[in-house]
Amino acid sequence: SYVLTQPPSVSVAPGKTARITCGGNNIGSKSVHWYQQKPGQAPVLVIYYDSDRPSGIPERFSGSNSGNTATLTISRVEAGDEADYYCQVWDSSSDVVFGGGTKLTVL
Amino acid sequence: QVQLVQSGAEVKKPGASVKVSCKASGYTFTSYGISWVRQAPGQGLEWMGWISAYNGNTNYAQKLQGRVTMTTDTSTSTAYMELRSLRSDDTAVYYCARAPSIAVAGHFDYWGQGTLVTVSS
Repeated sequence: SYVLTQPPSVSVAPGKTARITCGGNNIGSKSVHWYQQKPGQAPVLVIYYDSDRPSGIPERFSGSNSGNTATLTISRVEAGDEADYYCQVWDSSSDVVFGGGTKLTVL
Repeated sequence: QVQLVQSGAEVKKPGASVKVSCKASGYTFTSYGISWVRQAPGQGLEWMGWISAYNGNTNYAQKLQGRVTMTTDTSTSTAYMELRSLRSDDTAVYYCARAPSIAVAGHFDYWGQGTLVTVSS
């Protein structure tokens, strides 16, 4: 089955840029979606189809996908961005797969 | 506004079954799918399966085949997830999530608040 690999943790200072990666075999050929989950809350979709933002999600959140790595980029990081982030793909052979999640810490 | 409201917490004994409901509002229920995703304590997200609210087609995670059944009641815009032969490692928060497609699971744009299911003797 298809495997998505995320770093367990990423740390960033306020106002800087955080990049969270999601690795998978030829992931660039799939559509990648990203979710933010704060403690005790349900996940929230922040990026879909690699780089689209749902309404209400700040422009500071962006996504890219190429080769074997997809990346969620959060610019001008704020304390409120501290959360777990999950990447997710779907395809006809592996159905829905989530990455293991990355804990973003704002220093 | 789109809302998915789930049923309350459950405590079950090993070997029992649980059925969690997810009532949708704020959109045309039959124009979307519903997926179920669970999260064990301190762990990541695990996809359980998907059902099309349009035609009832389902697709279950291989790991849960034979133990899970997903259904919908279009008259009440409610989706259900039943998990049988419960084990302690089924203890988790169970989420329903809307999938913007009636044909495939895809991605999930709105989520329920979650239902804690505890399996303990």
